[in-house]
Amino acid sequence: GAVVSQHPSRVICKSGTSVKIECRSLDFQATTMFWYRQFPKQSLMLMATSNEGSKATYEQGVEKDKFLINHASLTLSTLTVTSAHPEDSSFYICSAGDRAWQETQYFGPGTRLLVL
Amino acid sequence: RKEVEQDPGPFNVPEGATVAFNCTYSNSASQSFFWYRQDCRKEPKLLMSVYSSGNEDGRFTAQLNRASQYISLLIRDSKLSDSATYLCAVEYGNKLVFGAGTILRVKS
Repeated sequence: GAVVSQHPSRVICKSGTSVKIECRSLDFQATTMFWYRQFPKQSLMLMATSNEGSKATYEQGVEKDKFLINHASLTLSTLTVTSAHPEDSSFYICSAGDRAWQETQYFGPGTRLLVL
Repeated sequence: RKEVEQDPGPFNVPEGATVAFNCTYSNSASQSFFWYRQDCRKEPKLLMSVYSSGNEDGRFTAQLNRASQYISLLIRDSKLSDSATYLCAVEYGNKLVFGAGTILRVKS
């Protein structure tokens, strides 16, 4: 199947710092990428939908100024958690779909963020 | 009513058993349905799509009941390696909504 990579896989940072997470589709062009967050023992919660060349669409309750998303190319989307706080500690997962994303989404391996 | 609901389990079954999970959804207009498997501290991996006519892949069978708005996953001859959390996902317009997952533990 298609491959999606994420970097870094794990990050520990101090409260107040910003963290950038990269999501790359390695063998296909991803017109749409999705960013999810998953807290322990909970489901994936969609944060935003990232479309190449346009602004991301954020889900209700997700602060767009805190979670900055950039989808500058068909193979790369980035999520920046600005001024991170301990409550932002979570498992962040991206997924990518091609033009027929409704057929399937391919998930990256996720990034574990721990804010101290 | 939640958009997508699953019984969290856990379902504890012996090896070789048959086990079934259901997932209900609230949007009657949804067209695409999926089952994902998620291992502990890993990303979800697509197990299978769910088609109107139902589909089978080895020991796994997925079915869709539009009238009652649920999808099901049947696992036959359970293996120890089937132990995981099974997430259903339902298309809602331009996004997928995931259930909270059902935990399966297969024991020898």
